[in-house]
Amino acid sequence: SQELEQSPQSLIVQEGKNLTINCTSSKTLYGLYWYKQKYGEGLIFLMMLQKGGEEKSHEKITAKLDEKKQQSSLHITASQPSHAGIYLCGADTPGGGNKLTFGTGTQLKVEL
Amino acid sequence: EPEVTQTPSHQVTQMGQEVILRCVPISNHLYFYWYRQILGQKVEFLVSFYNNEISEKSEIFDDQFSVERPDGSNFTLKIRSTKLEDSAMYFCASRRGQYTDTQYFGPGTRLTVL
Repeated sequence: SQELEQSPQSLIVQEGKNLTINCTSSKTLYGLYWYKQKYGEGLIFLMMLQKGGEEKSHEKITAKLDEKKQQSSLHITASQPSHAGIYLCGADTPGGGNKLTFGTGTQLKVEL
Repeated sequence: EPEVTQTPSHQVTQMGQEVILRCVPISNHLYFYWYRQILGQKVEFLVSFYNNEISEKSEIFDDQFSVERPDGSNFTLKIRSTKLEDSAMYFCASRRGQYTDTQYFGPGTRLTVL
């Protein structure tokens, strides 16, 4: 079965600083999703990557999928308090229903 | 923007009772899912549903669980006889197609079993 490992598990940064979260898969990634979750709440879709080398950006968040399609990174530029939350990577897992397999999450706190 | 909705937002029940969690997926979506997240743990897949039948289920999804799409809009998860360990956040998700389409999640139902 596919396993996703995220690093770091938690991160505290000062407002305005850049940061990177990594997601490493035990198998080739066919579709890699990034979601944001506030503690105890739902998952907000951020981005989806499918092609090796693909990079997508939305506002100050950039996500990349490496060429070998086994690792993705999420980079936040000039972090703000609104970026605080739990970031989850999820992988499309081929099968009957194409479920998502999730990583353990990275908790981000942004200090003023 | 269309969104997945779930009701109730919070359900408290006694052990052994039946609960039904409800979801309204995005209207033109064809694939439906239930996931759960025990507090502090990973989001875990429970079941996927397509064309009015289960397409895949996890080990968690035993005989105590069932899913149904009773009409054209609702998608339900029933737990027949709840256990303490069923306490979790339950998320419904839907997607229009496979692979290239995004899976959108609802806000979740927090189930507390006493």
